[in-house]
Amino acid sequence: ETGVTQTPRHLVMGMTNKKSLKCEQHLGHNAMYWYKQSAKKPLELMFVYSLEERVENNSVPSRFSPECPNSSHLFLHLHTLQPEDSALYLCASSQDGGGRAETQYFGPGTRLLVL
Amino acid sequence: QKEVEQNSGPLSVPEGAIASLNCTYSDRGSQSFFWYRQYSGKSPELIMFIYSNGDKEDGRFTAQLNKASQYVSLLIRDSQPSDSATYLCAVGWRGGTSYGKLTFGQGTILTVHP
Repeated sequence: ETGVTQTPRHLVMGMTNKKSLKCEQHLGHNAMYWYKQSAKKPLELMFVYSLEERVENNSVPSRFSPECPNSSHLFLHLHTLQPEDSALYLCASSQDGGGRAETQYFGPGTRLLVL
Repeated sequence: QKEVEQNSGPLSVPEGAIASLNCTYSDRGSQSFFWYRQYSGKSPELIMFIYSNGDKEDGRFTAQLNKASQYVSLLIRDSQPSDSATYLCAVGWRGGTSYGKLTFGQGTILTVHP
């Protein structure tokens, strides 16, 4: 595997379900990100992990719970979602050295539909 | 609130023409600037990044940055139908001591017709 991978690629879930999205980066990067992309809206940053520590949570509802067990893996745990949470969820990673923001590389995304 | 503005388009150009995509940003402290291409149903892929004022060329693509005007653009020469996609402008800034953050524009839809 190369780059950033995400599973599953498609997910349909009911509002009472619990599911998890998985992201793995094979680039040796030290920062990982979760984004939400809804139709007609810019990419929205949800969470940032730097050196395995969550450093940003952009007012995301608690029904989204991230986890970063190591520098290569990132999870997004989902529970009691709402239909408006249906979107493309993208994982990204970057190698940041403390200077400017560096290029972020994206995984293929998980297309989520909440019924 | 850091903002990035793009004309959503669609921008339609004939095959072989130059496509010009524009982006403005609000934060004068921004340090890095990126153009991503996103095909329908796919994830964003990096085309170019630029850090300094002026032009940066890579094949058919040229990025232009003017920090004084808070403006960044992407030119695509000899446009091909395969260039038809949404182009995302992203502006980078420091989120903390060890990581950066990107703010994305809404994207410009480009259609290249034969």
